[in-house]
Amino acid sequence: GAVVSQHPSWVICKSGTSVKIECRSLDFQATTMFWYRQFPKQSLMLMATSNEGSKATYEQGVEKDKFLINHASLTLSTLTVTSAHPEDSSFYICSARSGGGTLSNQPQHFGDGTRLSIL
Amino acid sequence: KQEVTQIPAALSVPEGENLVLNCSFTDSAIYNLQWFRQDPGKGLTSLLLIQSSQREQTSGRLNASLDKSSGRSTLYIAASQPGDSATYLCAVRSSGGSNYKLTFGKGTLLTVNP
Repeated sequence: GAVVSQHPSWVICKSGTSVKIECRSLDFQATTMFWYRQFPKQSLMLMATSNEGSKATYEQGVEKDKFLINHASLTLSTLTVTSAHPEDSSFYICSARSGGGTLSNQPQHFGDGTRLSIL
Repeated sequence: KQEVTQIPAALSVPEGENLVLNCSFTDSAIYNLQWFRQDPGKGLTSLLLIQSSQREQTSGRLNASLDKSSGRSTLYIAASQPGDSATYLCAVRSSGGSNYKLTFGKGTLLTVNP
């Protein structure tokens, strides 16, 4: 149980293109979803947190207009990298958690990540 | 600001050996601690979750302990197998401030040699 599906797994595109990444919770309702970015040999850095039906909360230094997050349902969140540039190339991972509020004791479940390469 | 450190950064052992991975965190005001496994180019698989009130959790050959007061956790892997080769990440959910966030360590890259 607790499967999180993330698509696509790998994207290569030209600079200036917008890229959408989908994150779905397959067998549970994800009240909260998280988007992370990971550079090689580095830990995961939280980009933003979204609760279903609400606007995402972005971490300091993350551009809201650059990384558009939508969490329209309890099983789907999307991250759109707008006008992507080579410096946006990274490994993006989504995570989902059931249970509402900030004190949920439910574990976070992660997708398999999306490798984004901008040429 | 919570900081999580994992030692060692890399570990190579022969198959069958028991091993311990270490995780330390600077702020003991945590809600829970979670150990993950990450295979190359993949996302994270949750291994064990320890609530702040617990001392340890076990799952199969894995045992994780938590000493909240000293800011430490260990992941014990018994009878290691080549399939255990992966990066192991420790993450804490702090109970103060932004208490919904997980703070991750950089991980320990484990290689189990046949």
